[in-house]
Amino acid sequence: NAGVTQTPKFQVLKTGQSMTLQCAQDMNHNSMYWYRQDPGMGLRLIYYSASEGTTDKGEVPNGYNVSRLNKREFSLRLESAAPSQTSVYFCASTSFLGGGIYNEQFFGPGTRLTVL
Amino acid sequence: AQSVAQPEDQVNVAEGNPLTVKCTYSVSGNPYLFWYVQYPNRGLQFLLKYITGDNLVKGSYGFEAEFNKSQTSFHLKKPSALVSDSALYFCAVRVLSNFGNEKLTFGTGTRLTIIP
Repeated sequence: NAGVTQTPKFQVLKTGQSMTLQCAQDMNHNSMYWYRQDPGMGLRLIYYSASEGTTDKGEVPNGYNVSRLNKREFSLRLESAAPSQTSVYFCASTSFLGGGIYNEQFFGPGTRLTVL
Repeated sequence: AQSVAQPEDQVNVAEGNPLTVKCTYSVSGNPYLFWYVQYPNRGLQFLLKYITGDNLVKGSYGFEAEFNKSQTSFHLKKPSALVSDSALYFCAVRVLSNFGNEKLTFGTGTRLTIIP
């Protein structure tokens, strides 16, 4: 049981380049999330997917797109990278327990992205 | 808007002393509150949560948190600090979308340093 996995661990891009960050979970969770972490700002939600086939914008979606490929996988794409997207990106997942209650979110190890 | 605030960027505590990491919240309705910990170069790990019931919540690694409705606070505590407790701590509140999907809003984080 690997939990939440992310690839790559590190990436350096030039301004204008594109890339896709991959995330997978093996816990049969319905909901998946992408966050970015910047110093002094905590974690900010970029996009989330409440269930397979649905995606919604979070707090900071501009410049990003997502795909919920199947129940396990949720990818984040930067179409034209900008220096402002230099950050650490975390994927997370959780399950719905019923009665309006969700389990806690489980986080991947992160992807450290630098855009030059 | 639902939010949490962590008023201290940095907390230093001597090993063996009690520690407190502060969190206040602003929500409409009943708050669902969480504490996560992040060790260097790692993803976030769940510590504990308050949903309902006893105001004193016990979690992992000997941590506990006290929910105080009148002061809108959810402070993280531990009776005797260990050097290994040194990490970045995040408070979070659950936010429900218009469709009832769960999102978390995080505080900006508090760096806890335990001094030997």
